[in-house]
Amino acid sequence: SQQGEEDPQALSIQEGENATMNCSYKTSINNLQWYRQNSGRGLVHLILIRSNEREKHSGRLRVTLDTSKKSSSLLITASRAADTASYFCAYWTGGYQKVTFGTGTKLQVIP
Amino acid sequence: DAGITQSPRYKITETGRQVTLMCHQTWSHSYMFWYRQDLGHGLRLIYYSAAADITDKGEVPDGYVVSRSKTENFPLTLESATRSQTSVYFCASSESGGGSTSSTDTQYFGPGTRLTVL
Repeated sequence: SQQGEEDPQALSIQEGENATMNCSYKTSINNLQWYRQNSGRGLVHLILIRSNEREKHSGRLRVTLDTSKKSSSLLITASRAADTASYFCAYWTGGYQKVTFGTGTKLQVIP
Repeated sequence: DAGITQSPRYKITETGRQVTLMCHQTWSHSYMFWYRQDLGHGLRLIYYSAAADITDKGEVPDGYVVSRSKTENFPLTLESATRSQTSVYFCASSESGGGSTSSTDTQYFGPGTRLTVL
């Protein structure tokens, strides 16, 4: 399977703490994206990082990409209860026009 | 309303019946996708379409059929439903197909259809 791996599978933190989740993939990529899924809902796009970028910020989100290690990380700073959700990385397996999703990290932020 | 919609939101059917899940998007995106989401497997791509009348298999296509006669619609049919097809199904669309570093690869997801096969 080409499915990406994410870790940790689950993460529980206190409100105000930072949350870091990691994604590893197996193929060369053009870009990598992060999505959030609230319980019972569809996925919502958070941020896209291109293969020629190493770091990207969006509000309280920071994404890094290390193409030599085939890995990416998503950092959520100053977490809020509303950040409770599952987070998925996704990437295109270049040339095949197919996107692969990671296995997801379930984040719980305790008020 | 602009966006991507799926119908029905919930469906219960019996083994052997044919079921069609509908997906409609109003952005005129070229690419559309069907995924299934199961515990322990994350999202898995069933089929995708690069344009009207162009479809291709994803990771788990067996037992499913798709068509795309119009850009805005991408129905998914389970020809003879099986219990293993009990899942949550998500449709998504994007402007482009991931062949570049473009931000137009972003996928927009529908709310999902929860299908139970008895």
